[in-house]
Amino acid sequence: DTGVSQDPRHKITKRGQNVTFRCDPISEHNRLYWYRQTLGQGPEFLTYFQNEAQLEKSRLLSDRFSAERPKGSFSTLEIQRTEQGDSAMYLCASSTPTTASTDTQYFGPGTRLTVL
Amino acid sequence: RKEVEQDPGPFNVPEGATVAFNCTYSNSASQSFFWYRQDCRKEPKLLMSVYSSGNEDGRFTAQLNRASQYISLLIRDSKLSDSATYLCVVNFYYNTDKLIFGTGTRLQVFP
Repeated sequence: DTGVSQDPRHKITKRGQNVTFRCDPISEHNRLYWYRQTLGQGPEFLTYFQNEAQLEKSRLLSDRFSAERPKGSFSTLEIQRTEQGDSAMYLCASSTPTTASTDTQYFGPGTRLTVL
Repeated sequence: RKEVEQDPGPFNVPEGATVAFNCTYSNSASQSFFWYRQDCRKEPKLLMSVYSSGNEDGRFTAQLNRASQYISLLIRDSKLSDSATYLCVVNFYYNTDKLIFGTGTRLQVFP
């Protein structure tokens, strides 16, 4: 399977614990995005990398959240001191520059986080 | 006001019906427009891009009205497999690929 992969697919944690998610983009894609989706809502943008550079961060990304893409390939999203409000599906997407005005983003299956 | 607004539905239609979804967006400078499909507990997948002149892909037709900041999706001859949530998606700005999603419109096609 050459699509976007995410690990783990599900994570249950207790409030106050730290969690880390991993995303492996499609291999030739240099752009990588993180979104968060809560029940009944569409995905909300969190942050975006081009290669290893983090180019944009949403105000949704509080100081408890940090994302990295150290070698421009896979990315990690860490949430420190989790809160119940962090419970959501965390989606990763990747794209590669094309001649279109906006690149097509391909989404991974997501990591579903439940904070107890 | 939300940046991208959709009627959440659900729309319950019989097989073979024609159904239309509408979406409005707040930023008149928006650059690109899409419809994504999301099955229950799955990731969103691109259904089609939306072009100013309107475009069609099989049973699906998308329209864009920039003056009214309005996007539509028409599904003809609905199939059971069309049951899903349809997300209206907009890219607002130059030099970013940040996508803004609507809340989605749920479609249920029944036999």
